[in-house]
Amino acid sequence: SAVISQKPSRDICQRGTSLTIQCQVDSQVTMMFWYRQQPGQSLTLIATANQGSEATYESGFVIDKFPISRPNLTFSTLTVSNMSPEDSSIYLCSVSVHTGELFFGEGSRLTVL
Amino acid sequence: GQNIDQPTEMTATEGAIVQINCTYQTSGFNGLFWYQQHAGEAPTFLSYNVLDGLEEKGRFSSFLSRSKGYSYLLLKELQMKDSASYLCVPWGGSSNTGKLIFGQGTTLQVKP
Repeated sequence: SAVISQKPSRDICQRGTSLTIQCQVDSQVTMMFWYRQQPGQSLTLIATANQGSEATYESGFVIDKFPISRPNLTFSTLTVSNMSPEDSSIYLCSVSVHTGELFFGEGSRLTVL
Repeated sequence: GQNIDQPTEMTATEGAIVQINCTYQTSGFNGLFWYQQHAGEAPTFLSYNVLDGLEEKGRFSSFLSRSKGYSYLLLKELQMKDSASYLCVPWGGSSNTGKLIFGQGTTLQVKP
């Protein structure tokens, strides 16, 4: 298993600003992912965070809007840049063990005014 | 590509049994996950099926037929706390991309 600490747990931000979400795992993991869950919707995969290289983004998501860092096997950050109200969502960090099972952080609830 | 088909909503009575069906089409298949998500919380792992057949874990059981692209989650002795969304998620394996793509899931409401 893996224990994931994600922060901030929630924040209220102004339009046009940027926010960085941190994800810390209690053990080294190979795969880390960032998901978004908009109100009333299911989880949407933003990107796979790759250690030491650029993240792999899903269709509809770009690095300029959602820059991701992963300097080591236990830590990653997701930045939501130039925010608009449409970015109001829950952002979830998750990690995968070799069996494929995903463990999730508590999520970061972001409200953009 | 991947396509997942589950009922959007289901309602059942406390103490009853409910079966949530899932059909899927995917390129590359290693196994199938079921996750539970309560409103406002992160998803939690329920089961993972690799082989055909039924896997039982307490009140919850999960079935897989690889040849039919079909799975179901069986919940027995329903409790009010079982009201949640249930997500059927096929997985292509760690040698693939390793990622999980979630569909809309089935929202189950348990009534007294």
